[in-house]
Amino acid sequence: NAGVTQTPKFQVLKTGQSMTLQCAQDMNHEYMSWYRQDPGMGLRLIHYSVGAGITDQGEVPNGYNVSRSTTEDFPLRLLSAAPSQTSVYFCASSYIGLAGSDTQYFGPGTRLTVL
Amino acid sequence: GQQLNQSPQSMFIQEGEDVSMNCTSSSIFNTWLWYKQDPGEGPVLLIALYKAGELTSNGRLTAQFGTTRKDSFLNISASIPSDVGIYFCAGLSNNAGNMLTFGGGTRLMVKP
Repeated sequence: NAGVTQTPKFQVLKTGQSMTLQCAQDMNHEYMSWYRQDPGMGLRLIHYSVGAGITDQGEVPNGYNVSRSTTEDFPLRLLSAAPSQTSVYFCASSYIGLAGSDTQYFGPGTRLTVL
Repeated sequence: GQQLNQSPQSMFIQEGEDVSMNCTSSSIFNTWLWYKQDPGEGPVLLIALYKAGELTSNGRLTAQFGTTRKDSFLNISASIPSDVGIYFCAGLSNNAGNMLTFGGGTRLMVKP
């Protein structure tokens, strides 16, 4: 299986533009999440989902929307991009509730620049 | 919210040396994870710790879950050039579902 895949790998936007970052996993994981990584700050959780049709906010949700219509896909939408959203975005997935199996696996990331 | 303090922020060592890094928290975690991130890649899981006091090894890597459940350390023995990267600790708590809290990372540089 391919694990967690993300597209695109790189993206440049102008302020005010909208776009969707794609994330897919083929491991039948219930839990999916989006993080952003900024220099010196580790990874911060944006939104997460514990199953199809269920999403919730993480630590830094403002300016981002998500939906989970299928188990496999968890897109992240920027409705009106701002320079503060310049970052590297990572999607991750895991099982839920299985001790020892709930560790998260990360995609390769999307590097976003907002001008 | 919960915060993880990871230290040191960076290390520059000679090949063959041992390395130690740690994370501390003001809150209790039920799971501690250590990830490594190579440039341009996503974090890759190195070691997962599930019980207080647990000591787990993965090759040259050894990690421990602190007995207070508020800290963890990672040791790398006999470092090699491919150990270069950023190492992150992350914690999971039962009352936060699967939400991970990350440390700020330790950037490791190894001189051949």
